Amino acid sequence: GESVGLHLPTLSVQEGDNSIINCAYSNSASDYFIWYKQESGKGPQFIIDIRSNMDKRQGQRVTVLLNKTVKHLSLQIAATQPGDSAVYFCAETYKGGAQKLVFGQGTRLTINP
Amino acid sequence: GAGVSQTPSNKVTEKGKYVELRCDPISGHTALYWYRQSLGQGPEFLIYFQGTGAADDSGLPNDRFFAVRPEGSVSTLKIQRTERGDSAVYLCASSLSGPASAGTQYFGPGTRLTVL
Repeated sequence: GESVGLHLPTLSVQEGDNSIINCAYSNSASDYFIWYKQESGKGPQFIIDIRSNMDKRQGQRVTVLLNKTVKHLSLQIAATQPGDSAVYFCAETYKGGAQKLVFGQGTRLTINP
Repeated sequence: GAGVSQTPSNKVTEKGKYVELRCDPISGHTALYWYRQSLGQGPEFLIYFQGTGAADDSGLPNDRFFAVRPEGSVSTLKIQRTERGDSAVYLCASSLSGPASAGTQYFGPGTRLTVL
């Protein structure tokens, strides 16, 4: 992955609002994408995934959208709750990549009461 | 069921010392991965095991780093002659995937390594 600085992009939303976290990827060979949530002092927690033959997938309160034309991935969280506050990472694997995950920069989401 | 576990949760060592970090994957998961996460960054791949063999070790930074998985379950990441730049959180993940396709990787809580 790319080297990034110590300052993560941040997003603040009011409790109950919807949030959208975006991620760009550069490898056109990437064929599997995952969103992880990471709380302070914990390992990344799987949220939702999508394969490259799909453009949308829904889970409980979360939706992932994949736009392969512009190499863009987004995570939508509906009706945000205080427990949604965390750092969110997108990750990808690519054909021939031996399944290793390449993580994006991460976005810190803060839910304001 | 139990998730991925890692021990120790924290390790403080002195420059030049040898350390071992342990990972217990989810039972039945054939694939195991090690990643390293520096402050403010996403995890970076180190090594991937399929069963007992290292299928991809391209992420290991140098020959001071080595990992084993002798029985296809527990894995140990070994770091020789530690340097201050090795300080990071070392994450382990496991998945049900076979060599042909990617599967969901589930992460452990990590080991925070501090080299003084």
